[in-house]
Amino acid sequence: EAQVTQNPRYLITVTGKKLTVTCSQNMNHEYMSWYRQDPGLGLRQIYYSMNVEVTDKGDVPEGYKVSRKEKRNFPLILESPSPNQTSLYFCASRPGLAGVFSYNEQFFGPGTRLTVL
Amino acid sequence: GEDVEQSLFLSVREGDSSVINCTYTDSSSTYLYWYKQEPGAGLQLLTYIFSNMDMKQDQRLTVLLNKKDKHLSLRIADTQTGDSAIYFCAESSPSGAGSYQLTFGKGTKLSVIP
Repeated sequence: EAQVTQNPRYLITVTGKKLTVTCSQNMNHEYMSWYRQDPGLGLRQIYYSMNVEVTDKGDVPEGYKVSRKEKRNFPLILESPSPNQTSLYFCASRPGLAGVFSYNEQFFGPGTRLTVL
Repeated sequence: GEDVEQSLFLSVREGDSSVINCTYTDSSSTYLYWYKQEPGAGLQLLTYIFSNMDMKQDQRLTVLLNKKDKHLSLRIADTQTGDSAIYFCAESSPSGAGSYQLTFGKGTKLSVIP
């Protein structure tokens, strides 16, 4: 089954304690990205990756790091979490190149609800 | 940057039709999408329309695209309680070197009243 998996699904942590949220996809997609979803703000992109070893900042990258050492994995790292990073996080993947006659669906993971105390 | 706007809330009675509207600014959009997010879940693609089409119908769903006004709508006929969810409008447009960017609206929360 084609899917994007994230772990953990729920996490409560304290300010300053480093954490990593893992993301993995089994569709051989080049493009992967991380979003955070907050009430009234919709989805905001944190970081994205066009391919292995190629990452770039999205709209709200401050306080986050990512790495793309393998095509299937795209972990999100919070080196020193703060309460304003309490949010619902989604990983997503899709084909990297645009197909003129292909709608190139973006697949989302189930979400990770993070609370930083 | 490119922008996608949609109203945040919509409430309808079960059995009525729901219409969720979206406007976008990028005139080079190639595909436009509707994603559905059920409570406690991720987003799933509901339907899409190619930019050279003006209508697409899929069972209870009708997508209308007015490219001149950059207006997209999703009509759900005979709305059921299971349709209660957040609906995101999104558009894709070329971003160079064969790639494309995907821009999402903030989402419309549809509440269906039994």
